[in-house]
Amino acid sequence: AQRVTQPEKLLSVFKGAPVELKCNYSYSGSPELFWYVQYSRQRLQLLLRHISRESIKGFTADLNKGETSFHLKKPFAQEEDSAMYYCALSGQNQGGKLIFGQGTELSVKP
Amino acid sequence: GAVVSQHPSWVICKSGTSVKIECRSLDFQATTMFWYRQFPKQSLMLMATSNEGSKATYEQGVEKDKFLINHASLTLSTLTVTSAHPEDSSFYICSARARRPSAYNEQFFGPGTRLTVL
Repeated sequence: AQRVTQPEKLLSVFKGAPVELKCNYSYSGSPELFWYVQYSRQRLQLLLRHISRESIKGFTADLNKGETSFHLKKPFAQEEDSAMYYCALSGQNQGGKLIFGQGTELSVKP
Repeated sequence: GAVVSQHPSWVICKSGTSVKIECRSLDFQATTMFWYRQFPKQSLMLMATSNEGSKATYEQGVEKDKFLINHASLTLSTLTVTSAHPEDSSFYICSARARRPSAYNEQFFGPGTRLTVL
């Protein structure tokens, strides 16, 4: 079964502290992994995708196939990073269908 | 670019009535649109996948006769909640996948529609 698990519902850190939002997945094949972010009162938007291996707003995420993880990291959190973060998976030959994790609310305190 | 709109942004209706929600891709053609449901502080649950010119594919547990989806053009998909009941109250979000070839499978999301059934 395809599944995305984000074990933390809420993650609270102070400004400048490192952040790691955990994401584990279950999929028998080679999935595409994504991180989406939803700022307060805004629509969901793509933050990162594992294929592009890029860094956006200081965030990075590495796909670890051995551990079936795609954790999102940032070395120094900023207050404007406070938002809901969703890890998502798209399977092969599924027409782009996304399976979302439960989401983690990141709160960065001053 | 790649903007998706939804209309209305919020709607209140009486129990037993039907409500139509529109999802439009404003500056690109979308071969596929997806409809999600989101409860407060919870994840997005995929309801159905809508392909232009064909019948929608519904996820397990989603009643196709209750949630009617039409994808009449490459820029418009509609979700009609028929005979709405209070338990249908939720935040409905659509997303669109661009027609142009993309290696990244990116979906562009609408702002959502808040449905409240009294």
